[in-house]
Amino acid sequence: DIQMTQSPSSLSASVGDRVTISCRTSQSISRYLNWYQQRPGKAPKLLIYAASSLRSGVPSRFSGSGSGTEFTLTISSLQPEDFATYHCQQSYSMPPWTFGQGTKVEI
Amino acid sequence: EVQLVQSGAEVKKPGESLKISCKASGYIFSTYRIGWVRQLPGKGLEWMGFIYPGDSDTTYSPPFQGQVTISADESISTAFLQWSSLKTSDTAIYFCATHDPHQLITSWGQGTLVTVSS
Repeated sequence: DIQMTQSPSSLSASVGDRVTISCRTSQSISRYLNWYQQRPGKAPKLLIYAASSLRSGVPSRFSGSGSGTEFTLTISSLQPEDFATYHCQQSYSMPPWTFGQGTKVEI
Repeated sequence: EVQLVQSGAEVKKPGESLKISCKASGYIFSTYRIGWVRQLPGKGLEWMGFIYPGDSDTTYSPPFQGQVTISADESISTAFLQWSSLKTSDTAIYFCATHDPHQLITSWGQGTLVTVSS
């Protein structure tokens, strides 16, 4: 199975900050990398798919980049509603589709 | 709009059986794979497996193979996750989720909290 390593596991930031979260995979997955946002007590929500494609309705302050084994989620200017946990997930080739361990963005 | 509505929270004892459900609406149930994701308390997400309701083809992640059963009833647009003998380590929130043809998890249920305690 493909292993996922997210960093950092948590970070503290302020409204207006630029935030970067990394996700590394144990083997190349081309661009089959997705990002989800999970607010406390809620189900996850798809933000970015195929490494850099923004899902319809997601604010443009969210962006993704990377390919192969190294990927990044960037929030250009953190808003109050962005305090949440972010999960990366690979969907390369065959299941199981594995997730990273999550990054909690806190004030 | 796709909606997934899960059954309510459960409290069970070790060794008991359990079947939780996920009712889908807003799309043709047989056309998208629907699966389950586990979230242990305070932890990340774990993909458990999915089923294609059209032909009941089911795929499990290795840690969950033999530990749970995923099924679906097309006539009521509902997916199920079942345990025959629960363990305390099964205590978690379980989310159902639809997978589009590109394997993106596009819609999620609200989650079902399962607590297993003696």
